[in-house]
Amino acid sequence: QVQLQESGPGLVKPSETLSLTCTVSGGSASSGSYYWSWIRQPPGKGLEWIGYIYYSGFTSYNPSLKSRVTISVDTSKDQFSLNLTSVTAADTAMYYCAAVGVSDYSFDYWGQGTVVTVPS
Amino acid sequence: QSTLTQPRSVSGSPGQSVTISCTGTTSDVGAYSYVSWYQQHPGKAPKLMIYDVDRRPSGVPDRFSGSKSGDTASLTISGLQAEDEADYYCCSYAGTYTREVFGGGTKLTVL
Repeated sequence: QVQLQESGPGLVKPSETLSLTCTVSGGSASSGSYYWSWIRQPPGKGLEWIGYIYYSGFTSYNPSLKSRVTISVDTSKDQFSLNLTSVTAADTAMYYCAAVGVSDYSFDYWGQGTVVTVPS
Repeated sequence: QSTLTQPRSVSGSPGQSVTISCTGTTSDVGAYSYVSWYQQHPGKAPKLMIYDVDRRPSGVPDRFSGSKSGDTASLTISGLQAEDEADYYCCSYAGTYTREVFGGGTKLTVL
C-alpha cells in the first residue's frame, strides 16, 4: 500500500517561501489512480485542503491560496512538492501530504505530517 | 472557500450510538456523492473511515456508517468504544473550481 513521507524545513522566516517534499513509496508518483495532495492543519484547528497534482502535471488549488501556491511532481524520484510564497505567521501549521483517489476524491493515504513554523 | 458545518462536539457512553452531521450546500454535499469522513486521534494523521457517502475502506469496522440527505451528510458510530474518542472531519468534492472542502471538525468524547 502507498506510504507517504513529508520532508522540509521546520522553520521559515516571514515573507520567504515554504518548500516541502513528499516521497511516495509502496506505489508510484506516476500512478494514474491518485491525485497527490497537500493539506494543512493550524495548531488546534481543522484541516484545510491546499491543492493537488496529477502525474501528468495537471494541478488544482484552493482558491484562497492559489496566488501563493505551486505544487509540482517529479515522477522519476517518486516525489511531489509544495511551494508556498510570502508566508506569514498564519501559515504556521502541520502540513500533510496525501493520496487522493481519482475516482472518489477521498484522501486514501496520508503522511505523518511535518510541522512548519513561521515566527511572528 | 467556506468550510462544511459540523457540530464542535458530541458525546456518548460506551455501547451507545452517536451521529455527527456535516452540512454543506447545493454546490458540494448536495451536488455530489463524494463525501468522505476522517478520524484523527491526537498527534496523529487523519484516517479515512468512509468514502462515497457510505462506503467503508477495508479494515474499518462496520460500526461506522455514512449517509446523506440533501445538503447534509452524516456519520453514525454504533456500539461506541473508548478508542472511538477522536476528532472527526467530513470532506466533500465541490466541483472543478473549488475541488475539495473540509468540515470544521467534531470532537467525539466517549463518556
